[in-house]
Amino acid sequence: KNQVEQSPQSLIILEGKNCTLQCNYTVSPFSNLRWYKQDTGRGPVSLTIMTFSENTKSNGRYTATLDADTKQSSLHITASQLSDSASYICVVSAHNAGNMLTFGGGTRLMVKP
Amino acid sequence: DSGVTQTPKHLITATGQRVTLRCSPRSGDLSVYWYQQSLDQGLQFLIQYYNGEERAKGNILERFSAQQFPDLHSELNLSSLELGDSALYFCASSVTPGRHTDTQYFGPGTRLTVL
Repeated sequence: KNQVEQSPQSLIILEGKNCTLQCNYTVSPFSNLRWYKQDTGRGPVSLTIMTFSENTKSNGRYTATLDADTKQSSLHITASQLSDSASYICVVSAHNAGNMLTFGGGTRLMVKP
Repeated sequence: DSGVTQTPKHLITATGQRVTLRCSPRSGDLSVYWYQQSLDQGLQFLIQYYNGEERAKGNILERFSAQQFPDLHSELNLSSLELGDSALYFCASSVTPGRHTDTQYFGPGTRLTVL
């Protein structure tokens, strides 16, 4: 069964600090891995998409890494801002008809001043 | 703003009733996806349409159905509603279903409350 597990479930950090969120998956056959940011009550917004051959991808202060051998990904946030407070969801896609995604439970990040 | 629109924003109804949620994809996107997000289960994929045809099915209940119209907007119909159907329902769109790196753009969601 395809599964995506994220840790930690929640995290509180001080503004300006860095943090790293983890994602482990068992989706097969692997196609790509995405990180989404979701503000409370709003739709997810794509941060990065990585395929099998990509190890790192950056989007501003967000850097995602992928280790396809160990089936792990991380999302590193640098110099956090109050607006980074949100849920971060790891989503993995398998090679099949359409573009079906398996969602992780998310990490709820709170950045405090 | 993702370019995906959903109506209504909020919906409050009673158990046993039927409701219709509407989604308009981004201009040029042919594929529409429906997701349910409840507090205890996170995001769950329901169903996908591509250019009017059903493309993939996820954890969609038999009481739920969807369709995509010639103008590419989509409707999700929920019937015989139960308390447990209370959730945020998101629509997303992408250009094609076949390119696996296509970004899915999510709408703002419809919050359904079943009393």
